[in-house]
This record gives sequence, structure tokens and C-alpha cells, in this order.
Amino acid sequence: DTAVSQTPKYLVTQMGNDKSIKCEQNLGHDTMYWYKQDSKKFLKIMFSYNNKELIINETVPNRFSPKSPDKAHLNLHINSLELGDSAVYFCASSPSGGAQETQYFGPGTRLLVL
Amino acid sequence: GEDVEQSLFLSVREGDSSVINCTYTDSSSTYLYWYKQEPGAGLQLLTYIFSNMDMKQDQRLTVLLNKKDKHLSLRIADTQTGDSAIYFCAEGTGGFKTIFGAGTRLFVKA
Repeated sequence: DTAVSQTPKYLVTQMGNDKSIKCEQNLGHDTMYWYKQDSKKFLKIMFSYNNKELIINETVPNRFSPKSPDKAHLNLHINSLELGDSAVYFCASSPSGGAQETQYFGPGTRLLVL
Repeated sequence: GEDVEQSLFLSVREGDSSVINCTYTDSSSTYLYWYKQEPGAGLQLLTYIFSNMDMKQDQRLTVLLNKKDKHLSLRIADTQTGDSAIYFCAEGTGGFKTIFGAGTRLFVKA
């Protein structure tokens, strides 16, 4: 009965590979997000989606391509992985993206690029 | 621009009060939040305050907001070792965007 789930939890891969991270929420929310948390714990928004449509893309390289097949899922595909992509990636959701809403975070996917 | 700043570290003794401070830049923020991140986990909402409030108390937590100075603080009374975590200040700006600070690492010494 996990609210926001992500797979995999850990991902270790070589530079240049392509990988995907999946996110699912069972809260019935319309809005989903991807955040990147670097080694210093800075948390930066990458994308936000509302009703399967891209709302925010925070100057993320186009090697990162989010896909939302339905409102409950927001997957992140990364092409040509680079060392600097190593980080923890968090998925989150909120009811409709309003400023007053709590965001519910997944447990994170720890990506290590070698 | 939008920015949220926090000090990076705070160390307190068990039983003392902890005060974590935050400043933000967007005066149009309507909600301000404190999230807690325990090791190896995602962020969880701790508490929030609406921008027309000065103070909010929730059990051991007290949030103070100085809107004029754009300063937010979180006070944890009777800090316990289980409170050791990273605490993120965040501002809700609307438009599907929440801006997070860098997080304050709270260390509680027994």
C-alpha cells in the first residue's frame, strides 16, 4: 500500500548506457515530479507533469526524457549516462500542483554511473 | 529569482531545543514547508505554515514566520536522537513548483 513507489532502488551502470527509472503513485494525484538530489543533498526539481502533460522542465539536458503513460505513472529515461548523473532521483506527487499542497515523495533511486 | 537558503549543519544535545533557520526570496509564496529526510529515505512533510500566519505550533514543533524579513524557523523542543535527520525548508510558489533549500543536517548527541 505504498503511496509513491520507485524502481529500481539502486542502479549501478557504465557511462554511455541508457537506463530507465519507474515511478508509480496510488494516491489518485494529478501531478507528479522528478527531483535530483546530488551528493551534497541539494534537491532540485527536474520535471513536473500534470494530467500526463509536461508543465515544468528545469533546464534539464535532453538526454533525460520523462514519460507519463497515465496519471499514476511518471517514468524517467536517461540516454548516454554521464558521471555527473550520479545522484539520488526522487519521484513525488501532489493532488493538483497547487502551492498549498503537500508533496509525497518516493523512497528514491540511487544511481551510480561508473 | 527564487531561492531558499538554510545553514547546512546544526548539532544539539538530547533534551535541548533545536532551531533551524531559513530565508526565502519569493514574496509571493503562499505556503512554506518543513520536510524531514531520514537516512536512505525520501522526504516527508513535517509541518507547513500559510503565509498570513506568524506562528504555528504542533506538539514539539513550532514554526515562526517573519514575512517582512522572509525568514522562517523551525523549533524542535526536547530534541531526541530520533530527530537526527536532514530538514528541508521549502516554499510553495504555485505553478506546479516547490523550491527547496539545501537542507540542514541536524545531529543530536546523546
